[in-house]
Amino acid sequence: GAVVSQHPSRVICKSGTSVKIECRSLDFQATTMFWYRQFPKQSLMLMATSNEGSKATYEQGVEKDKFLINHASLTLSTLTVTSAHPEDSSFYICSARVATGGTGELFFGEGSRLTVL
Amino acid sequence: AQRVTQPEKLLSVFKGAPVELKCNYSYSGSPELFWYVQYSRQRLQLLLRHISRESIKGFTADLNKGETSFHLKKPFAQEEDSAMYYCALSGGGGFKTIFGAGTRLFVKA
Repeated sequence: GAVVSQHPSRVICKSGTSVKIECRSLDFQATTMFWYRQFPKQSLMLMATSNEGSKATYEQGVEKDKFLINHASLTLSTLTVTSAHPEDSSFYICSARVATGGTGELFFGEGSRLTVL
Repeated sequence: AQRVTQPEKLLSVFKGAPVELKCNYSYSGSPELFWYVQYSRQRLQLLLRHISRESIKGFTADLNKGETSFHLKKPFAQEEDSAMYYCALSGGGGFKTIFGAGTRLFVKA
């Protein structure tokens, strides 16, 4: 099956620094990737839709300048949390959909736990 | 607006008992509906899609457009079914997928 890999799985950073999380589709091409945020014991909240070769589409309430998304290739999307604050601490999950011939199914990365001190 | 509602945060049943996880949705067009499952310490994965109308691991889900529901059912729960279940809705094509709050199923021995 299709595999999505996220890196790093865990990251701890100081307040005010920036952190980059990578999401890769290992064995398929993904024109669209999605970034979710999950708070403890809560559901996945869609942050943005990452489109290869174009700007990401952010959900209402998500700061574009805070959460920079780049989707430079058909297999890689990155999420950069800029000037991180403790309230940005969360579990970030990316997912991807097969570009062509897919079923609409989302394939998920293992998630990245960010802790901002 | 798209919305997915899972009214139960926790559902606890005994092994062998029937189980039904409820999901209701709100969408103006023709949605694609999914159930995703997350077992302990594993990533989210697809359980089933309404389009395929299949049974996976004994689970089935029927789309009821009149009631805007997509409840997940299994006649005889197994302990290995214990997991977090999310109902999800997509507008189709490259549209975004949104998730319900999730229901944790606990199957007791």
